[in-house]
Amino acid sequence: EVQLVESGGDLAKPGGSLRLSCAASGFTFSNAWMTWVRQIPGKGLEWVGRIKNDETTDYAAPVKGRFTLSRDDSRATVYLQMNSLKTEDTALYYCATGPENVRSSLWLDLWGQGTLVTVSS
Amino acid sequence: QSVLTQPPSTSGTPGQSVTISCSGSSSNIGSNAVYWYQQLPRTAPKLLIYRNNQRPAGVPDRFSGSKSGTSASLAISGLRSEDEADYYCVTWDGSLSVVIFGGGTKLSVL
Repeated sequence: EVQLVESGGDLAKPGGSLRLSCAASGFTFSNAWMTWVRQIPGKGLEWVGRIKNDETTDYAAPVKGRFTLSRDDSRATVYLQMNSLKTEDTALYYCATGPENVRSSLWLDLWGQGTLVTVSS
Repeated sequence: QSVLTQPPSTSGTPGQSVTISCSGSSSNIGSNAVYWYQQLPRTAPKLLIYRNNQRPAGVPDRFSGSKSGTSASLAISGLRSEDEADYYCVTWDGSLSVVIFGGGTKLSVL
């Protein structure tokens, strides 16, 4: 089955850390560009960052320097290491990807169910 | 405040047509393709339109996208109750080197 499954969301304190995982199945993960998008409950979607198949990464300004994307192609998993967490990082975090023959962070036709991160003291 | 401007809400009655606008600038919409996503309540977003005006397989032709200059639009014809959702435009911003989402438009089908 073609799917993405996020995990790792939890309650964390401001200044703390969390690592989110996104496990992929059903497609050639090593070729995929993986993207993270977050959504504050009741609010809009916000791009977090992406990791290309060559491990090149890009980040949104609010998370740059605090969040790090990595991937393990042998496990078909992408990781989002979140450090120096702030209350404003509280959100549902989705990972997403596009068709195997498309190298894009805009064309996202496969999404996970999301994992909830709550940052609160 | 998003770099891409969408109306916060719009509405229509079943069978009507509505258009959702997305306004940007030369560094984003003006020079990159626009994508549209539909998010039904409590679900992950779904790709509705790619590369300005292309529909993925399975998306009804009631949904259409267009782009002109620094603005894009999503048109929905023959409104149905199941179209009630949030709609987002997305593109790349070459000046910021990031993907940007519009603020989203909540469509109500009255």
